[in-house]
Amino acid sequence: GIQVEQSPPDLILQEGANSTLRCNFSDSVNNLQWFHQNPWGQLINLFYIPSGTKQNGRLSATTVATERYSLLYISSSQTTDSGVYFCAVGTTYNFNKFYFGSGTKLNVKP
Amino acid sequence: DTAVSQTPKYLVTQMGNDKSIKCEQNLGHDTMYWYKQDSKKFLKIMFSYNNKELIINETVPNRFSPKSPDKAHLNLHINSLELGDSAVYFCASSQDLELAPSRGRTDTQYFGPGTRLTVL
Repeated sequence: GIQVEQSPPDLILQEGANSTLRCNFSDSVNNLQWFHQNPWGQLINLFYIPSGTKQNGRLSATTVATERYSLLYISSSQTTDSGVYFCAVGTTYNFNKFYFGSGTKLNVKP
Repeated sequence: DTAVSQTPKYLVTQMGNDKSIKCEQNLGHDTMYWYKQDSKKFLKIMFSYNNKELIINETVPNRFSPKSPDKAHLNLHINSLELGDSAVYFCASSQDLELAPSRGRTDTQYFGPGTRLTVL
């Protein structure tokens, strides 16, 4: 199956700092989503972004499908941004099956 | 008006027992999933159902049996529980992702709150 690698695995930020999380994938994808798992375990969808750029408040994401990577930008980080960020991809040859990366654990300190 | 709900939230049981986890979605989605999240937070798909039919069955032991009585429900039954089954199990739903683009939808997966299973 497709390989999904996320970096960095761990990230510590001071409140107010900006950060970039990266997701590399090993094959063509037709679906890419970013999720945030909060400290209580809830998985929340942030972006559906198989290509292009989207923004939602302090978060934005860019996927360059031809180069097989996606970036998640967090600006002016807040303590509520803490948690684990996952990238998940789906391929054209196996719809409805998602492959998750191992996540980036973010800790934003006040 | 929870979109994807799971019960129970916590499940503590002895090795060898049989247990079930229930999942319901009220989003009108065609496809439902079960994922397992291990202690290192790695998420892996176990099963996917589309309109009550099994479409994805990863290399999961036969002790795990999903059942979909209708497209709004996908339950997970586990026989003869083992220590290694301890994990958080997430249910999720989405539109049929193969058909979504042709229907002008760019749908995503919505996850339930998870069920933390502890096998003693």
